[in-house]
Order: sequence, then structure tokens, then C-alpha cells
Amino acid sequence: GAVVSQHPSRVICKSGTSVKIECRSLDFQATTMFWYRQFPKQSLMLMATSNEGSKATYEQGVEKDKFLINHASLTLSTLTVTSAHPEDSSFYICSARAGATNTEAFFGQGTRLTVV
Amino acid sequence: RKEVEQDPGPFNVPEGATVAFNCTYSNSASQSFFWYRQDCRKEPKLLMSVYSSGNEDGRFTAQLNRASQYISLLIRDSKLSDSATYLCVVSLTGGGNKLTFGTGTQLKVEL
Repeated sequence: GAVVSQHPSRVICKSGTSVKIECRSLDFQATTMFWYRQFPKQSLMLMATSNEGSKATYEQGVEKDKFLINHASLTLSTLTVTSAHPEDSSFYICSARAGATNTEAFFGQGTRLTVV
Repeated sequence: RKEVEQDPGPFNVPEGATVAFNCTYSNSASQSFFWYRQDCRKEPKLLMSVYSSGNEDGRFTAQLNRASQYISLLIRDSKLSDSATYLCVVSLTGGGNKLTFGTGTQLKVEL
């Protein structure tokens, strides 16, 4: 199947700093990428949808100025957690699809963020 | 009410057992349904799509009841490697669009 690579897999940062997470589609062009967050023992929650070359669409309750998403190319989307706080500590996962909405979305390996 | 509800488990079963998971969803406009598998601290991986007519993939059988807004997954002849969390997932459109995840049902297969 298609491969989506997410980096870094694990990051620890100090409170108040920013962290950038990259999501790359390695063998296909991803017109749409999705960013999810998963807290312990909870379900994955969609944070935002990004389409290449346009602004991301954020889900209700997700601060767009705090979680900056850039999808500048068909193979790369980035999520930057700005001014991170301990409550931002979570598992962040991206997914990407190649084409129409009925095509499968493939997930990256996830990034475990710990803010201390 | 959660959009997708599942019994969190854990379900502890012996190797070789048959186990069934259930899931209900609240949005009757949902069009696509899936079961994903998630191993501890890993990304979810698609196990199978779920169709109205029911579908089978080896030891796994999925059923969908649109009238009751209910989805099930049956695992026969459980293997130790089946131990994981099984996520019920629905989408208003196709599988490549916004997915709504249940919290998952944890399965532990034991010797």
C-alpha cells in the first residue's frame, strides 16, 4: 500500500516553544491531508483538513493560530504546534489520500509530543 | 452522545476463540464504514471496509445494519497476533475523507 511518513516519531519540548511535525506521502501525490490528535484512552479526533495550495479547514474547537498547518506541495504537509503547553502533549497523526473522497486514506506513524 | 460508540473492553479471550465487537453510530447520513486496527502507540491501519451486504476477509467478518446504525466485527480462530485495539470508523462520504473514530475495543488473546 501507499506510504505516509511522519517525522519526528517522538519529541519532547519545553513549555512555550514551538514544534513542527512533518507528514510526507512517499509514493503518491496527496491532494488532501488530515491531522488527528489522540489523547490516552481516547479516540482519534480530527483537528484539521489541509488541501494543497489552500488554507486548512479546522474543526470546531481547534485554534488555527496555535496549530499552524502548511500544505505547500502535493507530498508534504506540516503541523506546527506554537507556544506549546503541557496540555498539548498528545499523539498527533496525519493521514493522506491520493484522489477522490472514496479512495483510502493512509496514516503516518504518528508523533508523540511531550511538553514539559 | 458520542458519534461512534464502542465497548472499550478489554476482551480477554483464549487463542482459537471467536470474539465479536459491536459499534453504533449516531449520524444516519454516514455513508462509509470501516474497522481499523491500532496497536499500542502505533498508527491505525485499515482492517476492512464494511458493506451493507456484509463482507468477509479470512477470519474476519463485518456486518452493517443501517436501520439500527450498528456495525459488527467477528473474529474467528483468534491468534495471539490479533491482540490490539479495534476501531470502528465512519465517514459521511468516502474512506478518504473526514473519518470519525470510536474509542476502540481492546482485545487480548491469551495462550
